[in-house]
Amino acid sequence: LAKTTQPISMDSYEGQEVNITCSHNNIATNDYITWYQQFPSQGPRFIIQGYKTKVTNEVASLFIPADRKSSTLSLPRVSLSDTAVYYCLVEGNTGFQKLVFGTGTRLLVSP
Amino acid sequence: GAVVSQHPSRVICKSGTSVKIECRSLDFQATTMFWYRQFPKQSLMLMATSNEGSKATYEQGVEKDKFLINHASLTLSTLTVTSAHPEDSSFYICSAIPGQGARRFGYTFGSGTRLTVV
Repeated sequence: LAKTTQPISMDSYEGQEVNITCSHNNIATNDYITWYQQFPSQGPRFIIQGYKTKVTNEVASLFIPADRKSSTLSLPRVSLSDTAVYYCLVEGNTGFQKLVFGTGTRLLVSP
Repeated sequence: GAVVSQHPSRVICKSGTSVKIECRSLDFQATTMFWYRQFPKQSLMLMATSNEGSKATYEQGVEKDKFLINHASLTLSTLTVTSAHPEDSSFYICSAIPGQGARRFGYTFGSGTRLTVV
């Protein structure tokens, strides 16, 4: 199972763009990169998933370089409600792999 | 789609008693579900993999006789904390993915159960 490394915490202000980078040096060919968001006392929630280059949805963008050893989650114009823990995981997109959660990044958005 | 319901959301029990937590996939069948435990300010730790119709697979260090898992149907897995002690107080979360595991939107997680043992 690929291990991921991401900053423990980040601070931002409302309206700013936040970029959280995750390292996954041992990612396998069949692995996808998935980001989850977790609010206090709730289960994680899927944000975005990608394999390479760039993926964008209504919530975030995910940038993945050609070597796929890292990825960057980009949250445009964050609001106070984006304060949460963000987890980067690598996983296959089929089968029943066990997910190994790293430390996650605790994002604090201030007014 | 892909909704996982977890019940109860919070429970307080006395030391020495047992508590059952339910995890249901509401709109899909899940042959495999996962149970996690999360202590305050920490990450999720996988406890066990629940397989429908067979025994659960426990992670190293997790006592299978203390954390009983039953996955009797394709939509329900239960975690029973037996003879609970204050150190079992934690946030328990389940997750599942549909069918044969093909997914475009990652794993779906329940809302979690806050267990407090007094």
